[in-house]
Order: sequence, then C-alpha cells, then structure tokens
Amino acid sequence: DAGVIQSPRHEVTEMGQEVTLRCKPISGHDYLFWYRQTMMRGLELLIYFNNNVPIDDSGMPEDRFSAKMPNASFSTLKIQPSEPRDSAVYFCASSSRGNQPQHFGDGTRLSIL
Amino acid sequence: GEDVEQSLFLSVREGDSSVINCTYTDSSSTYLYWYKQEPGAGLQLLTYIFSNMDMKQDQRLTVLLNKKDKHLSLRIADTQTGDSAIYFCAASGGSYIPTFGRGTSLIVHP
Repeated sequence: DAGVIQSPRHEVTEMGQEVTLRCKPISGHDYLFWYRQTMMRGLELLIYFNNNVPIDDSGMPEDRFSAKMPNASFSTLKIQPSEPRDSAVYFCASSSRGNQPQHFGDGTRLSIL
Repeated sequence: GEDVEQSLFLSVREGDSSVINCTYTDSSSTYLYWYKQEPGAGLQLLTYIFSNMDMKQDQRLTVLLNKKDKHLSLRIADTQTGDSAIYFCAASGGSYIPTFGRGTSLIVHP
C-alpha cells in the first residue's frame, strides 16, 4: 500500500518567494495533519483537517502560512512570502480517526535563503 | 491541553537494554504511542498501548504504562546500532488528537 506521499522532498528558495508543499494522504484516511520540525522547537502541529475541513489551525505561526484540502486525496501548505526562519522539515500525516495512529510522509526539507 | 515530556538523549552500549521514559499530563489519555524517526525520514509507528493495559510486548519491544503516575516507558532489549534514532512518545488526551513529546535521541555505541 502506498503511504503518505509528500512533494517535493527538498526545496531551496530565496526569501520572499512563495513556497507550496504538497501531500497525498493514505486512501480512506479522514484526518490529515501538517507538522513542522526544527531543532529548537521539536515537532509542532500546524493544522489538521477532518473530512477535508480545517478543524484546528491554532498552530499556524502567521498569516503567511495557509493550508487547503480541496479533496480527500490532496492537501497543500503554502508560505507566502517565505522567510529564512521558515526553514524546517515539514511533515504531513494522516489517520483513519483522530486518536488512531498517524502515518507520516517522509517530509519536505525546506531551506529559505 | 496535553503536555508530553521526554528526556532528550540516551546513550547505551550495543547489546544492553534501553529504556526510554515519557510522562504525560492528561489522565484521560486513551492511546499512547511510540514512534521512531531515522535520519532523513518521517516518524514511523513502533507500537501503541491502550489506556486499559499495563504492558504490551512485541519482540524486542516492551511498553509499560503506569496510569497513576502518567508514565510510559519503552524498553528495547538487546539494543543494536540499527536502533539508533529519535524516539517520540505521543498521548491522545481529551482532544483525541495525539500530542507528541520532543523526542529522545538514542545513541548506541559498540
């Protein structure tokens, strides 16, 4: 079975540019989560969706960050404009129910110069 | 909300047992998880335990849950160099969405 698929795996861009991260959850999973991982702050939950609807976006750091889930098989996390402090590894995860084990993608390593 | 704490580092000798500890704050947590993260990869579910259990064993892994103290541990028997990774504890409390700890870096040396 295909797991959670994220793209791109690596992204290097200059500050001020728009960045779009993509995620395809596991088919049949109703929950989708976006996380950010840094050495300083560890793993942070940014936002999660249930049945394509954003439920809690309290972890989104600023208005520069936005996330969408137009259908059950695709989600995006967008940063516009990007800043060097946004450099991190961004993970997408999905689960069949809210308290069930989450399955993680391999992440997108983002570097903002 | 839920708060999950872990020590940041653990160093063991190959062949010894490793014990990684975790504490959580929400006594209503129903599921408790252990994930493993290898370099350059996402988190991989290792095992999980339901709150009505005290212990779960799976090959070299043993999970112990002390609900009274809100303490969870992961024991790895006969630790190998391939076990070197970051181990995350997670607890699903009242919100049902798991809260993750900061992760414990396990270093296995010969």
